[in-house]
Amino acid sequence: DAKTTQPPSMDCAEGRAANLPCNHSTISGNEYVYWYRQIHSQGPQYIIHGLKNNETNEMASLIITEDRKSSTLILPHATLRDTAVYYCIVLINFGNEKLTFGTGTRLTIIP
Amino acid sequence: GAGVSQSPRYKVAKRGQDVALRCDPISGHVSLFWYQQALGQGPEFLTYFQNEAQLDKSGLPSDRFFAERPEGSVSTLKIQRTQQEDSAVYLCASSAGADSSYEQYFGPGTRLTVT
Repeated sequence: DAKTTQPPSMDCAEGRAANLPCNHSTISGNEYVYWYRQIHSQGPQYIIHGLKNNETNEMASLIITEDRKSSTLILPHATLRDTAVYYCIVLINFGNEKLTFGTGTRLTIIP
Repeated sequence: GAGVSQSPRYKVAKRGQDVALRCDPISGHVSLFWYQQALGQGPEFLTYFQNEAQLDKSGLPSDRFFAERPEGSVSTLKIQRTQQEDSAVYLCASSAGADSSYEQYFGPGTRLTVT
């Protein structure tokens, strides 16, 4: 699986958009970009995934660059409940594939 | 329906004791994963089941760790002769299957403390 690089921490004001970057310069053509988050004392939670097109769901948007070497997770209106560690993971899209989490980005939403 | 549940939520064991951690996946989910999360680190893969078959156990740190899923639903992770370095949160996750939904749904974890 391709390795990902994320900033260790970020702050965002409540109500503003939180933009979390991820570099995955060695991604292969058949690898997807997945985002999970882990709120304190909980298990990780799936957010969104994509291959090359931008994706949006009720939680977030995922913007993948045209060369697919980086992506940005966007939380459009951050709330205090979005404070968590966010993990960017690259993997081939099979249901039996283990997740390699790395250290993620600790996002703190400031009131 | 209910999500993934794990029990116990907290376990304190004396060094050398055996422990058993239980995972109840989402009903009907084919795939089941176990992860270990040390303090301040991301989760690390331990083992994977597809139904009752253990297809990947490459992440188990030693032969003291054993996992089973005999009927393809509930799974148990057993750690024999616990050591202090086994202290961690043990997470279970399930997903619908190898050819459908790929998201993994995680339980709340079991925090194991070895004293």
